Amino acid sequence: AQKVTQVQTEISVVEKEDVTLDCVYETRDTTYYLFWYKQPPSGELVFLIRRNSFDEQNEISGRYSWNFQKSTSSFNFTITASQVVDSAVYFCALSDQTGANNLFFGTGTRLTVIP
Amino acid sequence: GAVVSQHPSWVICKSGTSVKIECRSLDFQATTMFWYRQFPKQSLMLMATSNEGSKATYEQGVEKDKFLINHASLTLSTLTVTSAHPEDSSFYICSARDPVAAYGYTFGSGTRLTVV
Repeated sequence: AQKVTQVQTEISVVEKEDVTLDCVYETRDTTYYLFWYKQPPSGELVFLIRRNSFDEQNEISGRYSWNFQKSTSSFNFTITASQVVDSAVYFCALSDQTGANNLFFGTGTRLTVIP
Repeated sequence: GAVVSQHPSWVICKSGTSVKIECRSLDFQATTMFWYRQFPKQSLMLMATSNEGSKATYEQGVEKDKFLINHASLTLSTLTVTSAHPEDSSFYICSARDPVAAYGYTFGSGTRLTVV
């Protein structure tokens, strides 16, 4: 069965600090997809990244970067030089290879960036 | 990009009444849509999978007679909360799988339901 664990419930950082959000997953599938979503206070889910299980290359997008380690079943997310606008709940999620099934979400990490 | 429109964004209703939430895929056809519920400060939990032209598949513990799902067309799925109670107050969000989109899943903006 699929499972996503985000052990950090809440994190507070001071603006301009770097912060890493951890995500550990479990799955029996050999092919799967991992996602990160941002949920600001307004509630909508903002897509950040999707990563195929065969692609272990780290990815950087502006101040965001992701570290996918298949050996440890982790898909961590780092925000560099955090800003107040980064304050939100961040969810890591997992889907199977078909994509026909739903996303399994972690419990989320609430990030607060203090000005 | 793929857009899923969800309405209403918020609704307040009295106990015992029914509320309908709509989820529309605006620029693509969605044979499958998912309905999630999110309680305050909690994660998104899948309630049901809505399949166009067939019955929805409900997750364990979700009452199908209470949460009626209709997916009558390739662009519209509705969730009706029947005989709502205060404990049904939650954030409901739909998503659709867009095979063309780079990321595969597109979410609606969510509906905050408050039952008084």
